[in-house]
Amino acid sequence: GENVEQHPSTLSVQEGDSAVIKCTYSDSASNYFPWYKQELGKRPQLIIDIRSNVGEKKDQRIAVTLNKTAKHFSLHITETQPEDSAVYFCAASPGNQFYFGTGTSLTVIP
Amino acid sequence: DAGVIQSPRHEVTEMGQEVTLRCKPISGHNSLFWYRQTMMRGLELLIYFNNNVPIDDSGMPEDRFSAKMPNASFSTLKIQPSEPRDSAVYFCASSFEVGGYTFGSGTRLTVV
Repeated sequence: GENVEQHPSTLSVQEGDSAVIKCTYSDSASNYFPWYKQELGKRPQLIIDIRSNVGEKKDQRIAVTLNKTAKHFSLHITETQPEDSAVYFCAASPGNQFYFGTGTSLTVIP
Repeated sequence: DAGVIQSPRHEVTEMGQEVTLRCKPISGHNSLFWYRQTMMRGLELLIYFNNNVPIDDSGMPEDRFSAKMPNASFSTLKIQPSEPRDSAVYFCASSFEVGGYTFGSGTRLTVV
């Protein structure tokens, strides 16, 4: 089955700096890659996603890049703010099922 | 739409008791997923249903866990008998075809 690895497990940045979270996947059949943000005590919520026919997607301060050849994808957050502090999960899907990474705990220091 | 609705939000039970978690997916979604989240193991897929049919239950820890989806608008996850190591947050999620999951608010289960 699919195996998704996510790095780093924890990340601290100063407010206003950028944050980058990276994921790799193993199954070349995976064609959909969502990212979820989970604030403390709350549900994971979809923040951005990308499909395999696209190399990059951007939504305001958040962007995701995908390299199908290398089987890796990344989340980029620019101009970080304290409210960006949360756990971020990547996932890969070859079909109906999602395979999640182990999460990155992001702390934005004011 | 009210989103994915889970109940109860919190459950505290004694070891050996039966626990039933409930989920109502978003109307029109045809896939439903049960996840367990712990600090040690992260998000683990327990089982998922497509059109009310269980497709993959390989993540169910053992025979003490069972899940049903009697119709498109309701699913249950049952643990019998419960054990302290079952303490976790259990999320239900639903989706339509290939698209982002929508998660419910979760049930925080504590088995003492």
